[in-house]
This record gives sequence, structure tokens and C-alpha cells, in this order.
Amino acid sequence: QVQLHQWGAGLLKPSETLSLTCAVYGGSFSGYYWSWIRQPPGKGLEWIGDINHSGSTNYNPSLKSRITISVDTSKNQFSLKMSSVTAADTAVYYCARVVRGAKWYFDLWGRGTPVTVSS
Amino acid sequence: DIQMTQSPSSLSASVGDRVTITCRASQSISSSLNWYQQKPGKAPKLLIYAASSLQSGVPSRFSGSGSGTDFTLTISSLQPEDFATYYCQQSYSTLYTFGQGTKLEI
Repeated sequence: QVQLHQWGAGLLKPSETLSLTCAVYGGSFSGYYWSWIRQPPGKGLEWIGDINHSGSTNYNPSLKSRITISVDTSKNQFSLKMSSVTAADTAVYYCARVVRGAKWYFDLWGRGTPVTVSS
Repeated sequence: DIQMTQSPSSLSASVGDRVTITCRASQSISSSLNWYQQKPGKAPKLLIYAASSLQSGVPSRFSGSGSGTDFTLTISSLQPEDFATYYCQQSYSTLYTFGQGTKLEI
């Protein structure tokens, strides 16, 4: 059974860099895209970006200037870095698997990592 | 960006009720529409993909329909575990976007 395990620093100061990693256990890594999605407290879901095993990325244009998504296929892991964070980046950050067949959808999700940006 | 608008934003219902949630896209997205269920403190869970395909393991009381710009999620007979927030999401554009959510309450 495929599982996504995610981790990273949960408390940041403004202007610092957010860094999260998601590890994929128990299934194929190369056959999918891998995504980051966030959810501010009490609000809806925002797609951040995704990556495949070859390192091909897609980013949300609203965040593109501040984010980098990378992959380590030797460890079946992918990571998110977001620079110059502000309080507006406070959210639960989820990693998710993207099925890209005839239709595309997020079929597996990590448990989420709460990130708070506060001085 | 493709904007996704759900209605209603919240809904009160009872166990055994038939419930319908609507999602409208700002442009035609064919059948590239997915539905997720989220319970407090948990990650979203995929219910329906490609507008009407039931994800493996999801009870058959959940169904989806629609194409183009208008979509619906129907729960045929509400169970206690169905009280949650539901989100639609379009995958027609690689800039994936979600609806604002519909909170289903007792």
C-alpha cells in the first residue's frame, strides 16, 4: 500500500525559507507526478506545483517566483522550498500523488504539515 | 485561471437525506472535474474523478455527473460519516484550481 510521509519545519519567521519533504513508500515513483497543495487556516485548497521523476515541474504562477520543487529518485522523495515567507504563507501543506492518465487527479495525500509564519 | 464556484457554501441535512452539491467552472472543462471529501484535521480524500468515475473503495451512495461547466456531486442517502467539507477541482488546465468548499452539517 502506497504511503506518503511528509516532514519539515513548522515554525518560521518572516523572510525565512520554508522547506518540506515528502517520501513515497510502497509503490511506483516514476509513473506519476507529485504535487504540493496548501490550505490556510479555515480556508480552501491551493495548488502550489508538481514534479515528475525526471524533474519536469509545473508551478502555480502566483507562487512561481518563490518556489522550487525538486526530486530525489534515489530516495523516492520530492521537496518544496518557498523563499521569503510571510504570514500569508501560514497553512497546512500537503503532498499528493497526481494520476496523469486519460484524466488527472490527486488520488493519495500525505497527512499534512502545519506551517506557521510568525515573528 | 479557471475559477471554480461551489454552491451552496454550507448545507444542513439529516441522516438518510439525498444531497446534491453543485460546482460551476468559469469555462468549459469537458469532464475534467474531481470531487474530494475533507474531515476536520484530515487530508482531502478523492471521491469522484473525471466527473463521474467512483474512486476505488468509495461507497456507491456517492455519484457525480456533468460536463462542460456544470457538475454535481450527489449523496443518495447521507450517513453519519458523510458530514464533512466537499471540494471540487478542475484538471482541464495544469493550473489546477479548487472550489471554495461546501460544508455539510447536521
